[in-house]
Amino acid sequence: EVQLVQSGAEVKKPGESLKISCKGSGYSFTSYWIGWVRQMPGKGLEWMGIIYPGDSDTRYSPSFQGQVTISADKSISTAYLQWSSLKASDTAMYYCARQLRAGVVWDWFDPWGQGTLVTVSS
Amino acid sequence: SSELTQDPAVSVALGQTVRITCQGDSLRSYYASWYQQKPGQAPVLVIYGKNNRPSGIPDRFSGSSSGNTASLTITGAQAEDEADYYCNSRDRFGGGTKLTVL
Repeated sequence: EVQLVQSGAEVKKPGESLKISCKGSGYSFTSYWIGWVRQMPGKGLEWMGIIYPGDSDTRYSPSFQGQVTISADKSISTAYLQWSSLKASDTAMYYCARQLRAGVVWDWFDPWGQGTLVTVSS
Repeated sequence: SSELTQDPAVSVALGQTVRITCQGDSLRSYYASWYQQKPGQAPVLVIYGKNNRPSGIPDRFSGSSSGNTASLTITGAQAEDEADYYCNSRDRFGGGTKLTVL
Protein backbone atom coordinates (compact mmCIF):
# COMPACT_ATOMS: atom_id res chain seq x y z
CA GLU A 1 0.00 0.00 0.00
CA VAL A 2 1.36 3.41 -0.97
CA GLN A 3 1.35 5.59 2.11
CA LEU A 4 2.62 8.96 3.30
CA VAL A 5 2.84 9.41 7.06
CA GLN A 6 3.44 12.88 8.45
CA SER A 7 4.89 13.96 11.75
CA GLY A 8 2.66 15.06 14.59
CA ALA A 9 1.09 18.38 15.48
CA GLU A 10 3.35 21.21 16.59
CA VAL A 11 2.81 24.24 18.80
CA LYS A 12 5.48 26.90 18.44
CA LYS A 13 6.14 30.52 19.32
CA PRO A 14 6.77 33.26 16.77
CA GLY A 15 10.39 33.38 15.73
CA GLU A 16 11.05 29.70 16.43
CA SER A 17 12.24 27.26 13.80
CA LEU A 18 10.44 24.09 12.76
CA LYS A 19 10.91 21.09 10.48
CA ILE A 20 8.02 18.73 9.75
CA SER A 21 8.33 15.43 7.93
CA CYS A 22 6.57 13.16 5.49
CA LYS A 23 7.67 9.51 5.23
CA GLY A 24 6.79 7.53 2.13
CA SER A 25 6.37 3.77 1.94
CA GLY A 26 5.06 1.16 -0.47
CA TYR A 27 6.66 2.67 -3.58
CA SER A 28 9.98 3.86 -5.01
CA PHE A 29 10.42 7.10 -3.06
CA THR A 30 13.10 8.44 -5.40
CA SER A 31 10.97 8.09 -8.54
CA TYR A 32 8.10 10.46 -7.76
CA TRP A 33 7.81 14.11 -6.86
CA ILE A 34 6.48 15.00 -3.41
CA GLY A 35 4.43 18.16 -2.96
CA TRP A 36 3.54 20.29 0.05
CA VAL A 37 0.16 21.98 0.37
CA ARG A 38 -0.98 24.52 2.95
CA GLN A 39 -4.52 24.87 4.28
CA MET A 40 -5.08 27.79 6.61
CA PRO A 41 -7.99 27.50 9.08
CA GLY A 42 -11.29 27.50 7.20
CA LYS A 43 -9.57 28.18 3.88
CA GLY A 44 -8.69 26.38 0.66
CA LEU A 45 -5.66 24.46 -0.53
CA GLU A 46 -2.49 26.29 -1.54
CA TRP A 47 0.30 24.74 -3.64
CA MET A 48 3.60 25.44 -1.86
CA GLY A 49 6.22 23.49 -3.76
CA ILE A 50 7.49 20.12 -4.88
CA ILE A 51 10.68 18.11 -4.62
CA TYR A 52 12.06 15.17 -6.58
CA PRO A 53 13.84 13.04 -3.97
CA GLY A 54 15.93 11.28 -6.63
CA ASP A 55 18.06 14.38 -7.21
CA SER A 56 16.51 16.95 -4.79
CA ASP A 57 15.29 19.13 -7.67
CA THR A 58 12.92 21.57 -5.95
CA ARG A 59 10.32 24.00 -7.27
CA TYR A 60 8.54 26.64 -5.18
CA SER A 61 5.40 28.65 -5.68
CA PRO A 62 6.37 32.34 -5.86
CA SER A 63 4.16 32.87 -2.81
CA PHE A 64 6.31 30.56 -0.71
CA GLN A 65 9.77 31.06 -2.23
CA GLY A 66 12.09 32.26 0.51
CA GLN A 67 9.50 31.62 3.23
CA VAL A 68 10.02 27.86 3.59
CA THR A 69 12.57 25.24 2.62
CA ILE A 70 11.64 21.88 1.12
CA SER A 71 14.15 19.05 1.34
CA ALA A 72 14.33 15.27 1.26
CA ASP A 73 16.48 12.46 2.62
CA LYS A 74 16.14 9.60 0.18
CA SER A 75 18.04 7.22 2.45
CA ILE A 76 15.05 7.22 4.82
CA SER A 77 12.31 8.00 2.24
CA THR A 78 11.38 11.23 3.98
CA ALA A 79 10.57 14.70 2.74
CA TYR A 80 10.67 17.81 4.90
CA LEU A 81 9.17 21.26 5.13
CA GLN A 82 10.96 23.73 7.33
CA TRP A 83 10.78 27.28 8.61
CA SER A 84 13.65 29.28 10.08
CA SER A 85 11.46 31.85 11.82
CA LEU A 86 7.77 31.12 12.24
CA LYS A 87 5.04 33.72 12.17
CA ALA A 88 1.52 33.57 13.52
CA SER A 89 0.32 33.56 9.91
CA ASP A 90 2.06 30.18 9.39
CA THR A 91 -0.66 28.60 11.52
CA ALA A 92 -2.21 26.02 9.23
CA MET A 93 -2.58 22.37 8.32
CA TYR A 94 0.20 21.20 6.03
CA TYR A 95 -0.21 18.22 3.75
CA CYS A 96 2.32 16.30 1.74
CA ALA A 97 1.25 14.32 -1.32
CA ARG A 98 2.92 12.20 -3.97
CA GLN A 99 2.75 13.77 -7.40
CA LEU A 100 2.34 11.51 -10.42
CA ARG A 101 2.90 12.71 -13.95
CA ALA A 102 1.94 11.55 -17.42
CA GLY A 103 3.75 13.56 -20.05
CA VAL A 104 4.09 17.31 -19.62
CA VAL A 105 0.43 18.33 -19.45
CA TRP A 106 -0.86 15.98 -16.84
CA ASP A 107 -0.07 15.55 -13.16
CA TRP A 108 -1.98 14.78 -10.00
CA PHE A 109 -1.48 14.21 -6.26
CA ASP A 110 -2.13 10.76 -4.84
CA PRO A 111 -2.05 9.73 -2.06
CA TRP A 112 -1.98 12.47 0.53
CA GLY A 113 -0.51 12.38 4.00
CA GLN A 114 -2.80 12.80 6.99
CA GLY A 115 -1.64 16.37 7.54
CA THR A 116 0.42 18.14 10.20
CA LEU A 117 -1.22 20.93 12.16
CA VAL A 118 1.18 23.75 12.93
CA THR A 119 0.06 26.33 15.49
CA VAL A 120 2.16 29.44 16.03
CA SER A 121 1.15 31.50 19.01
CA SER A 122 2.82 33.56 21.68
CA SER B 1 0.58 30.07 -13.87
CA SER B 2 -2.92 31.58 -13.95
CA GLU B 3 -5.59 31.57 -11.30
CA LEU B 4 -8.22 28.83 -11.16
CA THR B 5 -11.76 29.99 -10.41
CA GLN B 6 -14.46 27.85 -8.82
CA ASP B 7 -17.95 28.68 -7.62
CA PRO B 8 -17.79 28.88 -3.80
CA ALA B 9 -20.91 26.80 -3.24
CA VAL B 10 -23.21 24.49 -5.17
CA SER B 11 -26.19 22.43 -4.04
CA VAL B 12 -27.88 19.38 -5.51
CA ALA B 13 -30.91 17.32 -4.63
CA LEU B 14 -30.22 13.76 -3.56
CA GLY B 15 -29.95 11.53 -6.61
CA GLN B 16 -29.66 14.37 -9.08
CA THR B 17 -26.72 15.42 -11.24
CA VAL B 18 -24.39 18.27 -10.41
CA ARG B 19 -21.51 19.86 -12.30
CA ILE B 20 -18.68 21.68 -10.55
CA THR B 21 -16.56 23.87 -12.77
CA CYS B 22 -13.04 25.26 -12.72
CA GLN B 23 -11.91 28.04 -15.03
CA GLY B 24 -8.41 29.16 -15.86
CA ASP B 25 -6.14 29.87 -18.81
CA SER B 26 -3.78 27.01 -17.89
CA LEU B 27 -6.64 24.58 -18.55
CA ARG B 28 -6.41 25.28 -22.28
CA SER B 29 -3.19 23.26 -22.35
CA TYR B 30 -2.99 21.38 -19.06
CA TYR B 31 -5.35 18.83 -17.56
CA ALA B 32 -7.01 19.39 -14.20
CA SER B 33 -7.22 16.99 -11.32
CA TRP B 34 -10.02 17.03 -8.75
CA TYR B 35 -9.95 16.40 -5.00
CA GLN B 36 -12.68 15.76 -2.47
CA GLN B 37 -12.17 16.94 1.08
CA LYS B 38 -14.53 16.15 3.92
CA PRO B 39 -14.36 18.00 7.25
CA GLY B 40 -11.33 17.05 9.30
CA GLN B 41 -9.91 14.81 6.59
CA ALA B 42 -7.10 15.03 4.06
CA PRO B 43 -8.04 15.61 0.41
CA VAL B 44 -8.69 12.56 -1.76
CA LEU B 45 -8.11 12.36 -5.51
CA VAL B 46 -11.36 11.69 -7.40
CA ILE B 47 -10.54 12.54 -11.04
CA TYR B 48 -7.30 13.06 -12.94
CA GLY B 49 -6.34 13.66 -16.54
CA LYS B 50 -8.94 13.49 -19.28
CA ASN B 51 -11.43 11.49 -17.21
CA ASN B 52 -9.68 8.96 -15.01
CA ARG B 53 -10.90 7.67 -11.67
CA PRO B 54 -8.57 6.16 -9.09
CA SER B 55 -9.41 2.76 -7.74
CA GLY B 56 -12.22 2.98 -5.20
CA ILE B 57 -13.84 6.13 -6.57
CA PRO B 58 -17.46 5.47 -7.64
CA ASP B 59 -18.26 5.74 -11.33
CA ARG B 60 -20.81 8.46 -10.64
CA PHE B 61 -17.80 10.81 -10.63
CA SER B 62 -16.60 11.93 -14.06
CA GLY B 63 -14.48 14.70 -15.53
CA SER B 64 -14.44 16.71 -18.74
CA SER B 65 -12.75 19.72 -20.22
CA SER B 66 -13.49 22.34 -22.87
CA GLY B 67 -11.42 25.40 -23.63
CA ASN B 68 -10.45 27.07 -20.37
CA THR B 69 -12.97 25.15 -18.25
CA ALA B 70 -12.64 21.80 -16.51
CA SER B 71 -15.69 20.16 -14.98
CA LEU B 72 -16.38 17.52 -12.37
CA THR B 73 -19.77 15.87 -12.72
CA ILE B 74 -21.49 13.75 -10.10
CA THR B 75 -24.32 11.74 -11.64
CA GLY B 76 -26.78 10.68 -8.98
CA ALA B 77 -25.33 12.55 -6.02
CA GLN B 78 -25.33 10.74 -2.69
CA ALA B 79 -25.37 12.15 0.81
CA GLU B 80 -21.76 11.05 1.31
CA ASP B 81 -20.69 13.25 -1.62
CA GLU B 82 -21.28 16.36 0.48
CA ALA B 83 -17.80 17.85 0.75
CA ASP B 84 -15.44 20.53 -0.54
CA TYR B 85 -14.10 19.96 -4.04
CA TYR B 86 -10.88 21.46 -5.36
CA CYS B 87 -9.43 21.53 -8.86
CA ASN B 88 -5.67 21.60 -9.45
CA SER B 89 -3.67 22.44 -12.53
CA ARG B 90 0.09 22.81 -12.52
CA ASP B 91 1.07 24.91 -9.48
CA ARG B 92 -2.40 26.15 -8.55
CA PHE B 93 -5.51 25.00 -6.75
CA GLY B 94 -8.92 26.48 -7.30
CA GLY B 95 -10.57 28.19 -4.36
CA GLY B 96 -12.80 25.20 -3.74
CA THR B 97 -16.52 24.49 -4.10
CA LYS B 98 -18.64 23.48 -1.14
CA LEU B 99 -21.16 20.90 -2.32
CA THR B 100 -24.37 20.52 -0.34
CA VAL B 101 -26.61 17.52 -1.00
CA LEU B 102 -30.20 18.40 -0.16
